[in-house]
Amino acid sequence: EAGVTQFPSHSVIEKGQTVTLRCDPISGHDNLYWYRRVMGKEIKFLLHFVKESKQDESGMPNNRFLAERTGGTYSTLKVQPAELEDSGVYFCASSHGTSGLFGPGTRLTVL
Amino acid sequence: AQSVSQHNHHVILSEAASLELGCNYSYGGTVNLFWYVQYPGQHLQLLLKYFSGDPLVKGIKGFEAEFIKSKFSFNLRKPSVQWSDTAEYFCAVNSHNRLAFGKGNQVVVIP
Repeated sequence: EAGVTQFPSHSVIEKGQTVTLRCDPISGHDNLYWYRRVMGKEIKFLLHFVKESKQDESGMPNNRFLAERTGGTYSTLKVQPAELEDSGVYFCASSHGTSGLFGPGTRLTVL
Repeated sequence: AQSVSQHNHHVILSEAASLELGCNYSYGGTVNLFWYVQYPGQHLQLLLKYFSGDPLVKGIKGFEAEFIKSKFSFNLRKPSVQWSDTAEYFCAVNSHNRLAFGKGNQVVVIP
């Protein structure tokens, strides 16, 4: 069974640019989560989809972040415009129940 | 909101030594508890989890954790570590359908 995949694995952009991260969950998993780890800090929850609906987006840092989940399958997380403090590793996880399987993460560097 | 504390963020020990990593969480009613591990260059993987029942939980690779409700703790242990246990370890609590993570313990095992 394929695991959770994320693309790209690394992204280096300049401040003010736009970046879109993609997550493909495990097939059939209704729950999809985005988390972020800023260097030196803990992994923090960003948002939770159930199928195509945003169940909880209370962890999204500000309105420069937009997440979508088309048709309840893959999800994208767009950062526009990116700021220096957005640098970090963005993890996606999917699950049936309460514990998720994580993807490898996307390392975002904003210069 | 739940918070999770992990101490001794950097741990260096020799092979065959015993390992114990502390994890304390803030009170918030019924909780599900997890330990995740991230080996160098790999995904976050679930080591073990506690939902209910026996408070001593056995996980993969010889790890175990003990849930002590009165102390709000879920410490991770391994009696004899190997070089391959070099990794970062994260304690997490599930509350309101999201995971709250600690800052992680970077463990280095010297051959």
